[in-house]
Amino acid sequence: DQQVKQNSPSLSVQEGRISILNCDYTNSMFDYFLWYKKYPAEGPTFLISISSIKDKNEDGRFTVFLNKSAKHLSLHIVPSQPGDSAVYFCAVFIQGGSEKLVFGKGTKLTVNP
Amino acid sequence: DGGITQSPKYLFRKEGQNVTLSCEQNLNHDAMYWYRQDPGQGLRLIYYSQIVNDFQKGDIAEGYSVSREKKESFPLTVTSAQKNPTAFYLCASSDRPYGYTFGSGTRLTVV
Repeated sequence: DQQVKQNSPSLSVQEGRISILNCDYTNSMFDYFLWYKKYPAEGPTFLISISSIKDKNEDGRFTVFLNKSAKHLSLHIVPSQPGDSAVYFCAVFIQGGSEKLVFGKGTKLTVNP
Repeated sequence: DGGITQSPKYLFRKEGQNVTLSCEQNLNHDAMYWYRQDPGQGLRLIYYSQIVNDFQKGDIAEGYSVSREKKESFPLTVTSAQKNPTAFYLCASSDRPYGYTFGSGTRLTVV
């Protein structure tokens, strides 16, 4: 069963507007969450992360919000730029013996000029 | 510059053949990982290694094998037992729980 769910396979927004990418997770014990950005035929690159002791983390145009009671996190990009067009993966860090990142299926963001 | 090198970038394999994908890192990271990406499937963990001479199966290890004889190297062999090997393969390494660095990937196609 999927531990990390990104239910929107794609999202299209206009340049300058806000992009909101969503992610749900299943286990309330998860305590560290990350967003990665991936261009075609390249490896993912780290974008931003958040610990469960926070509900918001901001880095420039990128902000991640965490709602622990809903087991939901979201990535906001403001303002969106055409260069932001990529696939965005939500990931959770799983600890305890075998530490690893588990990824969602990704959301393809297209920012139209 | 430190980083992860995956080679080759594109690889073609005939059905029934084994093929080995290379992953080398000069970041001095202890942990290394292999993921597979398929359209609409996200990144799925194949194998990982937290330390030299030790590795664990991930979520989709069947049909794959790995070795970790050196800290810098974590090669992945796609065997003939892997039923759907055509995919994009990504190697990663980390030196702390959250700091994954990914390579640029290898596209494997079975012909």
